[in-house]
Amino acid sequence: QKEVEQNSGPLSVPEGAIASLNCTYSDRGSQSFFWYRQYSGKSPELIMFIYSNGDKEDGRFTAQLNKASQYVSLLIRDSQPSDSATYLCAVSPSGSARQLTFGSGTQLTVLP
Amino acid sequence: NAGVTQTPKFQVLKTGQSMTLQCAQDMNHNSMYWYRQDPGMGLRLIYYSASEGTTDKGEVPNGYNVSRLNKREFSLRLESAAPSQTSVYFCASSEGLTNQGKYFGPGTRLTVT
Repeated sequence: QKEVEQNSGPLSVPEGAIASLNCTYSDRGSQSFFWYRQYSGKSPELIMFIYSNGDKEDGRFTAQLNKASQYVSLLIRDSQPSDSATYLCAVSPSGSARQLTFGSGTQLTVLP
Repeated sequence: NAGVTQTPKFQVLKTGQSMTLQCAQDMNHNSMYWYRQDPGMGLRLIYYSASEGTTDKGEVPNGYNVSRLNKREFSLRLESAAPSQTSVYFCASSEGLTNQGKYFGPGTRLTVT
């Protein structure tokens, strides 16, 4: 079982819709959770991080964390074609503040 | 403020050749990292440096060596390249180990034939 799992997609949503990206993790003691956006041929860019259960909002982005169910999600409201990218979930395992474990990413396409 | 820079951007090596990938950051970050990214595998940590003068192995260190030359620079060396090392290599930095928000460089696309 992979430590961090994401649906590889592709996920397609129409412009203006809400895109929902999900990530599950296996280490129940994980402490920190991150979402990165990666455009094709480019490097990952940090867009959100969350440490506590619940929701965290930043502009059009909302990260949701449920430690009991071991999932973290990213909602993108009012999706734009410029949001089309691969979204990487990363988790800091327990006992290892030094390392992040990345999922393989979900490819999102926002259709005009 | 250039952030994290990497050289070269592209490189082709023959099996058995050696090379060093260079990374530098100008954000005064303490921690630096080397990742590789392969299709369907996500990003995997090769080595990291918590602070100047220290280095530690990550998930996939075999076949690589690193040097933290100073606070700004962290290099990755392939002593004898193998086709399995064909990948995109990213350097990253962060303020510290507990702040895991990492800033990535533009990447080096390496092909080993």
